[in-house]
Amino acid sequence: AQTVTQSQPEMSVQEAETVTLSCTYDTSESNYYLFWYKQPPSRQMILVIRQEAYKQQNATENRFSVNFQKAAKSFSLKISDSQLGDTAMYFCAFMSPRGGNTPLVFGKGTRLSVIA
Amino acid sequence: DSGVTQTPKHLITATGQRVTLRCSPRSGDLSVYWYQQSLDQGLQFLIQYYNGEERAKGNILERFSAQQFPDLHSELNLSSLELGDSALYFCASSVAVGQNYGYTFGSGTRLTVV
Repeated sequence: AQTVTQSQPEMSVQEAETVTLSCTYDTSESNYYLFWYKQPPSRQMILVIRQEAYKQQNATENRFSVNFQKAAKSFSLKISDSQLGDTAMYFCAFMSPRGGNTPLVFGKGTRLSVIA
Repeated sequence: DSGVTQTPKHLITATGQRVTLRCSPRSGDLSVYWYQQSLDQGLQFLIQYYNGEERAKGNILERFSAQQFPDLHSELNLSSLELGDSALYFCASSVAVGQNYGYTFGSGTRLTVV
């Protein structure tokens, strides 16, 4: 079974600085999908960014980008120009392309605090 | 508003009781997923339905059950509640099984068992 590990339970960053959240995963599949979700204090789960494993180019969404290292099974999230509104729990998640019997598998999350 | 509606938002009940959580998926989505998030934990997958049929089961207790109705809304039934069942329960939806663009989540139901 696939597993997702986030080794940093908590992190903090100064406003306007850059921070990187780590995620590693374990799978025997060659094609799959990776996601980062944000959960602010409102509890809503918000999709931040998505990566397809067969694409070598790292995904980018505005201030959010990933560093996808397929061989190392690593999928880190970089947040540039951090803003107070980025304060949230961040969850890394994995999905098999077969999908039907393998729903999203989440890591335990990293609590990010952006400090003014 | 994500388009996925969960009711109620908060629920407080006593041990041994039974509750029903309701989820209306985003318009056009056929697949519904239920997840449990306990304090300081990640999201644990419970069960998945697609167009009324159960498609996958995770670590769902026998005291818990779910169904998806013809209008595609889903209900999660939790019975013989224990203190440890206190958690945030999320519903998510997607267009098709294995939709690889991720899921759309509701805002969750906070269940407190006292």
